[in-house]
Amino acid sequence: SQQGEEDPQALSIQEGENATMNCSYKTSINNLQWYRQNSGRGLVHLILIRSNEREKHSGRLRVTLDTSKKSSSLLITASRAADTASYFCATDNPGRRALTFGSGTRLQVQP
Amino acid sequence: DGGITQSPKYLFRKEGQNVTLSCEQNLNHDAMYWYRQDPGQGLRLIYYSQIVNDFQKGDIAEGYSVSREKKESFPLTVTSAQKNPTAFYLCASSMGGAGETQYFGPGTRLLVL
Repeated sequence: SQQGEEDPQALSIQEGENATMNCSYKTSINNLQWYRQNSGRGLVHLILIRSNEREKHSGRLRVTLDTSKKSSSLLITASRAADTASYFCATDNPGRRALTFGSGTRLQVQP
Repeated sequence: DGGITQSPKYLFRKEGQNVTLSCEQNLNHDAMYWYRQDPGQGLRLIYYSQIVNDFQKGDIAEGYSVSREKKESFPLTVTSAQKNPTAFYLCASSMGGAGETQYFGPGTRLLVL
């Protein structure tokens, strides 16, 4: 089952601009994670935010979580061409023994 | 170097053939996972294992089988019962439970001849 749904499906921006991706989910969560995937490669963990947290930062990444709206956003500031990748949210749901991944946002950063 | 490896990078399957994808980790992680990714799509869970000698079906287990005889290894067999096996297969591991950060291998692309 695909619980997380990312929006937009694809995003194209210029280098230096900010990129915002959104994730919506349907049922309660313990935590929500964001992963990055370069084309044809495995996923790399970016950041984890717990259900009792509202915002988290890591370098140029800022993640917010609104459990009342069942949504999260990932902001990449001052984007670089090297940020070009697909970004996935994944939810840890009570009673489920594995993460549930969304369908991803494909980000293209033009140099 | 600690990490998770998958082999081969590309695998070709003939009609009616079973093929096995390898996944090995030296991170001393208890949990291991197999996912399938179709072009432009997210990841779908095939099987997972929380501990040696135990594994559970995920969301799309039909046509696949696994074993977990060693902590380091979690091979996936794509059987002839899987009628649409062409996909990118990703293996992952985590220290413990479902909410832990997962570490992914580089993936195996399976193609049907």
